[in-house]
Amino acid sequence: GENVEQHPSTLSVQEGDSAVIKCTYSDSASNYFPWYKQELGKRPQLIIDIRSNVGEKKDQRIAVTLNKTAKHFSLHITETQPEDSAVYFCAASPNTGNQFYFGTGTSLTVIP
Amino acid sequence: AAGVIQSPRHLIKEKRETATLKCYPIPRHDTVYWYQQGPGQDPQFLISFYEKMQSDKGSIPDRFSAQQFSDYHSELNMSSLELGDSALYFCASSLGGTGYNEQFFGPGTRLTVL
Repeated sequence: GENVEQHPSTLSVQEGDSAVIKCTYSDSASNYFPWYKQELGKRPQLIIDIRSNVGEKKDQRIAVTLNKTAKHFSLHITETQPEDSAVYFCAASPNTGNQFYFGTGTSLTVIP
Repeated sequence: AAGVIQSPRHLIKEKRETATLKCYPIPRHDTVYWYQQGPGQDPQFLISFYEKMQSDKGSIPDRFSAQQFSDYHSELNMSSLELGDSALYFCASSLGGTGYNEQFFGPGTRLTVL
């Protein structure tokens, strides 16, 4: 099955700096890569996603890049704000079946 | 906009008891997923249903079963509860039955087994 690895597990940045979280996946059949933000005790919420036919996608301060050849994708958050502090999960979904395989999460702390 | 509804939000059970968690997907969504998330862990996929049929199976223990009903709501039945079953259980829904579409998560049910 698919194996998703995520780094780093914790990340602290100063407010206004950029944050980058990286994920790798193993199954070349994976074709959908969402990123979820989860605040403590709350539900995961989709912040951005990318499909395998696209190399980069941007939504305001958030961007995701995908390298299918290398099987890795990254989340970039620019001009970080304290409210960006949360756990971020990447996920991969192969086109066989419909489950998401989640990374182990990155706890992001933005220091005011 | 309507979101995924889960009930109950909190549940406390004793070891060896049974529990039933309910999930009501977003209207018109035909696919439901169940995830288990332990403290500090990523969500672990348990099982999914598309059009009332099981569509994918993950790390769901044999003590658990689930189904999707004609109105598309789903129930996760958990028997012979163990301490290790204490976790947040999320239900998510999507439209289309494939892994290519956004999954919308419910607020979760926090299960505590004493």
